[in-house]
Amino acid sequence: DPKIIQKPKYLVAVTGSEKILICEQYLGHNAMYWYRQSAKKPLEFMFSYSYQKLMDNQTASSRFQPQSSKKNHLDLQITALKPDDSATYFCASSQDQGNQDTQYFGPGTRLLVL
Amino acid sequence: GDSVTQTEGQVALSEEDFLTIHCNYSASGYPALFWYVQYPGEGPQFLFRASRDKEKGSSRGFEATYDKGTTSFHLRKASVQESDSAVYYCALGTSGGNYKPTFGKGTSLVVHP
Repeated sequence: DPKIIQKPKYLVAVTGSEKILICEQYLGHNAMYWYRQSAKKPLEFMFSYSYQKLMDNQTASSRFQPQSSKKNHLDLQITALKPDDSATYFCASSQDQGNQDTQYFGPGTRLLVL
Repeated sequence: GDSVTQTEGQVALSEEDFLTIHCNYSASGYPALFWYVQYPGEGPQFLFRASRDKEKGSSRGFEATYDKGTTSFHLRKASVQESDSAVYYCALGTSGGNYKPTFGKGTSLVVHP
C-alpha cells in the first residue's frame, strides 16, 4: 500500500485558475514538505511543516499556500496559475525535522498550465 | 546558508564500469549526509545516510564515506548495471535550527548495456 498519497496524478489547468494538490501520508510522521521539480530547475524545496506548523517557506510567491487540516495532510493551493508553474510537485514527510530524519517522497502530481 | 555541490549534468557509463559521483557540502552545523535516487516517473527515494565523520553508508552496492575534513560524501559503486540508470541526489540533514532540507542539483546516471 502506498504510504504517501498524492492526488491527482496529472492535472491540466488554464492560466489564471486555481488548483489544490492533495497530499496524505500514512507513515505516522510529524513533518511534511512540498517540493517542485521542472525541466528547467532541479528538485526545489518549497515548504516545511512540523506538527502542522509552518517551519520554512522558500517560495517567493504568495500564490502558493500550504494547508494542513490534519497532522498527516498537507495540501498545496495554487492560485492565479501561470504556465511557469508547470512542474511536478512532490510531497514528502519525515519522522521529525531532526538531523538524521530521512525524507520519504510521494509519487508526485504533474501539473500542466496552458 | 547550507549548500551541496555535486557532479553536474550527466554521467554516462557502460555496464560493469566503476561509478563515482562527487558530493561536497558546506554547512554551519554537523549535518547527517544522505544519498537519494530518483527513477523516471517516481519521487526520490532514500538510498542511505551517514551521520558522523568516517562513517560509511551503503545500500544496493552503492557506498559513500562521510569525510568532515574534505566536506565530502562521494557516491561510488564498483560495477554499475543498466538498472542503476537514474538521477542521484546528495542531501544534508537539517541542523542548527535550519528546517530547510538541502539537496544538490542531482546527477543523471545513464548506463549503457
